[in-house]
Amino acid sequence: DAKTTQPTSMDCAEGRAANLPCNHSTISGNEYVYWYRQIHSQGPQYIIHGLKNNETNEMASLIITEDRKSSTLILPHATLRDTAVYYCIALSYSGGSNYKLTFGKGTLLTVNP
Amino acid sequence: EPEVTQTPSHQVTQMGQEVILRCVPISNHLYFYWYRQILGQKVEFLVSFYNNEISEKSEIFDDQFSVERPDGSNFTLKIRSTKLEDSAMYFCASREDRGGANVLTFGAGSRLTVL
Repeated sequence: DAKTTQPTSMDCAEGRAANLPCNHSTISGNEYVYWYRQIHSQGPQYIIHGLKNNETNEMASLIITEDRKSSTLILPHATLRDTAVYYCIALSYSGGSNYKLTFGKGTLLTVNP
Repeated sequence: EPEVTQTPSHQVTQMGQEVILRCVPISNHLYFYWYRQILGQKVEFLVSFYNNEISEKSEIFDDQFSVERPDGSNFTLKIRSTKLEDSAMYFCASREDRGGANVLTFGAGSRLTVL
């Protein structure tokens, strides 16, 4: 699975968009980009994933560059409750029982009032 | 929304004691996982389980650890003789197999404190 690189921390003002970058320059064609977050020692929570196209759901948008070497998670209107560690994970679907997530250090997003 | 349930939320035990952490995965999910997170550190993979057997385990998951799905609904993690360094949050997760991309759903965790 491709290594991902994320900034250690970021700040965002409440109500503003939070844009969290992730570099995955060695990603292969069959690897998806997943985003999870962890709010203060709670279990990690799935946010969104994508392969090539940009994706949007009720939580966030995921913008993947055309060469797939980087992506950006966008929280359109950040709230204080979005303060969390955000993990970007590149992962291929290698077949049923061998699938697992490997977490890095992620980005600590702090949303300020 | 379906969720993964873990019990207990917090357990305090003496070093050397056996501990069982319990998880109820989402009912139609087929793959089960345990992860742990030592305070201030990364979330680490321990073990994955499918079709009543271990699929993969990490170096952390040594002979002191075991997993079981005793009754078709619970998924347990047993630590046979706890050590101080086993103090951590333990997260259970499950997923269904939808082909293509997959999503793990995590429980809220069980905090284990070994004294």
